[in-house]
Amino acid sequence: GENVEQHPSTLSVQEGDSAVIKCTYSDSASNYFPWYKQELGKGPQLIIDIRSNVGEKKDQRIAVTLNKTAKHFSLHITETQPEDSAVYFCAASKGGSTLGRLYFGRGTQLTVWP
Amino acid sequence: DAGITQSPRYKITETGRQVTLMCHQTWSHSYMFWYRQDLGHGLRLIYYSAAADITDKGEVPDGYVVSRSKTENFPLTLESATRSQTSVYFCASSDGTGVFSPLHFGNGTRLTVT
Repeated sequence: GENVEQHPSTLSVQEGDSAVIKCTYSDSASNYFPWYKQELGKGPQLIIDIRSNVGEKKDQRIAVTLNKTAKHFSLHITETQPEDSAVYFCAASKGGSTLGRLYFGRGTQLTVWP
Repeated sequence: DAGITQSPRYKITETGRQVTLMCHQTWSHSYMFWYRQDLGHGLRLIYYSAAADITDKGEVPDGYVVSRSKTENFPLTLESATRSQTSVYFCASSDGTGVFSPLHFGNGTRLTVT
C-alpha cells in the first residue's frame, strides 16, 4: 500500500511567521492529496486539497504545492495566528474506486506563539 | 446541522469484553469509514462502507466487525477487546458524488481497554 511520510512532527513559530509542513508518498498512482487540521478533542477537518493535475493551490493564507516527479507535497501557512495551532495531517489517495482510502502521515503539531 | 455524531465520547472496558461504538450521520452520505488514531501512527483505516449492506476491510481490520443495515448508521464492534485496541476511533462519511469527495469526520470516541 501507500506510505506517507510527514515532517516535522512538531513545529513552533512566532505569530506572523510562515510555517511549512512537508510530506512524501511512495505510490506514483496516488492522485489526490488532502490536508486536515485537527483541533484538540475534535475530528480532523479538511482545510485544502490538491489533485495531481495541479501544481499549486492557494486559499487565503494557506497554500499547497505538489511535485509529482519527486512525489512530495507541502502545506504553507503564511501570517500565522494563534488559532492556527493544531495538529495537521497530510494524506494521499488514488481516488476513484478506492474513494476514501486515505493514507495519512503521522501528523505535525503546530504551535503558534503570540 | 447535526452532521456526524459518535457515541460514546469516552469508554472504558475490560479485556475480553465486547464493545460497540456508534456512528450516525444525517447527510445521507453513501460512504462511511472507521479510522483509529494512535500516537506515532496517524490515522489508519479499519473498515469502510460504500452503501448499506456493503462493507470492506481497510488497513487494520483484525478484531473488528462492522455492519451497515441503514445508510445513516455504521457501528463498529470489538468482539473481544484487547489492550492494543486502546485508541481514539473516528467515524467519517463522504457523499461519493465525485472522484475526490472530501471526508467529514466525527469528534471521535476515546476507548481504553484495561
